[in-house]
Amino acid sequence: NAGVTQTPKFQVLKTGQSMTLQCAQDMNHNSMYWYRQDPGMGLRLIYYSASEGTTDKGEVPNGYNVSRLNKREFSLRLESAAPSQTSVYFCASTGSGYTIYFGEGSWLTVV
Amino acid sequence: DQQVKQNSPSLSVQEGRISILNCDYTNSMFDYFLWYKKYPAEGPTFLISISSIKDKNEDGRFTVFLNKSAKHLSLHIVPSQPGDSAVYFCAAHHSGGSNYKLTFGKGTLLTVNP
Repeated sequence: NAGVTQTPKFQVLKTGQSMTLQCAQDMNHNSMYWYRQDPGMGLRLIYYSASEGTTDKGEVPNGYNVSRLNKREFSLRLESAAPSQTSVYFCASTGSGYTIYFGEGSWLTVV
Repeated sequence: DQQVKQNSPSLSVQEGRISILNCDYTNSMFDYFLWYKKYPAEGPTFLISISSIKDKNEDGRFTVFLNKSAKHLSLHIVPSQPGDSAVYFCAAHHSGGSNYKLTFGKGTLLTVNP
């Protein structure tokens, strides 16, 4: 039972490069999320998708774009990476309840 | 403005003793609260939750208490075990919020010493 799977696990980018973080869930959940975690800042919502075909900004959306490809997949794109985007990124999903289920994280370093 | 606050960045307890992690919130519209545990290099995992209509919820060694008048909740772990060493996040759901968006605190690092 995979749950929420995200790739890559680790990535180093140069400033200005672009990349996409991929996420898929196999729990038939409607809502999906991208969070970032930084030291002393907790978990902050970047973007979310209430359902297939919809996306909305969260708390810290600047510098990111998302795509809800289908019900299973929700990707996060950095068009021009900046050092401030060095962080740990978590994809997550929810079904009919309040509980959010997280992936294992993607460690991104922008140099 | 931080609506969910975990004022203790870290907590250290002895194995077998009680761990008490605290969380305060400012928004009276929060109607559901959750605790997540996070080990290094892993994603957060759901631990226990409580609805605002209750004041206590228990699951094995873990109990969450909610004091609505004080806008305060706490997570009790009894007895504490070394495997409980992790970062614990408090999270709250807004009753008017859509799609179950949660507001997270900054986390408390719990260290249980053998």
